[in-house]
Amino acid sequence: DQQVKQNSPSLSVQEGRISILNCDYTNSMFDYFLWYKKYPAEGPTFLISISSIKDKNEDGRFTVFLNKSAKHLSLHIVPSQPGDSAVYFCAASVGLTGGGNKLTFGTGTQLKVEL
Amino acid sequence: EAQVTQNPRYLITVTGKKLTVTCSQNMNHEYMSWYRQDPGLGLRQIYYSMNVEVTDKGDVPEGYKVSRKEKRNFPLILESPSPNQTSLYFCASTRTGTLNYGYTFGSGTRLTVV
Repeated sequence: DQQVKQNSPSLSVQEGRISILNCDYTNSMFDYFLWYKKYPAEGPTFLISISSIKDKNEDGRFTVFLNKSAKHLSLHIVPSQPGDSAVYFCAASVGLTGGGNKLTFGTGTQLKVEL
Repeated sequence: EAQVTQNPRYLITVTGKKLTVTCSQNMNHEYMSWYRQDPGLGLRQIYYSMNVEVTDKGDVPEGYKVSRKEKRNFPLILESPSPNQTSLYFCASTRTGTLNYGYTFGSGTRLTVV
C-alpha cells in the first residue's frame, strides 16, 4: 500500500518557467513532509520541508505548499534551471518535526528542465 | 566533511553467496537506516536503528540482516542473496528526535544478484 504517491513519473519544463511537482498521501498521521532531490549516481539530498502546522514554506527558488485537508503537497521551483533536472522524491513522517524518524517516500518524479 | 559512506558502490554477486554492504557516518547520528530503491516503487525502508544495539524492521526486511555494534557503523547483511534483491541500496542517518534537515544519505550501492 503506497502511502505517499507521486502520480507523475516525469515532467518536462522550459528553463525559466515554473516547475510544479505534486505529491499525495493517504496516512492522516503524517505531520512532517520533505522533498529530496536525487541526481544519477548520487544519494538523495534534502531540499525543503514543511510541518503540518504550516501551509507554505519557502527557500529561495523552492516553495512547498501543503493542503492538509486534501492530503496534498506540491513543490514549486521558480525559475527552473537546467541544474534542477533530477528525480524529486517527496517523503512524510509522523510527528511535527519528524520525531518518529521513519520517512515514507513517494515513487519519485523525474524533472527535466530544457533550454 | 559530514558524510555517510557506503561500500562498495557497485557489486555483482551470485545467488546464495553471503555479502555485506558497509555504512559509516561521521556525524555522531543516533538514527541510521537502510533503504532500497526500485523502479516504480520509490525508496522503501529495510531496517533502521535508533541507537547502538537497537535495531528494528522496516517495510521490506525479508532476506536482510543488520547490526549496530558501534554508533558510526550500520552494515547490511544479505546471508543468501536472491535475484529479487537486485536493487539500489542507500544508507541514511539523522539525529534522533528531529528531521528538520532530513536524512543524510550515502551515495548508494548498486547490487546485482545473478
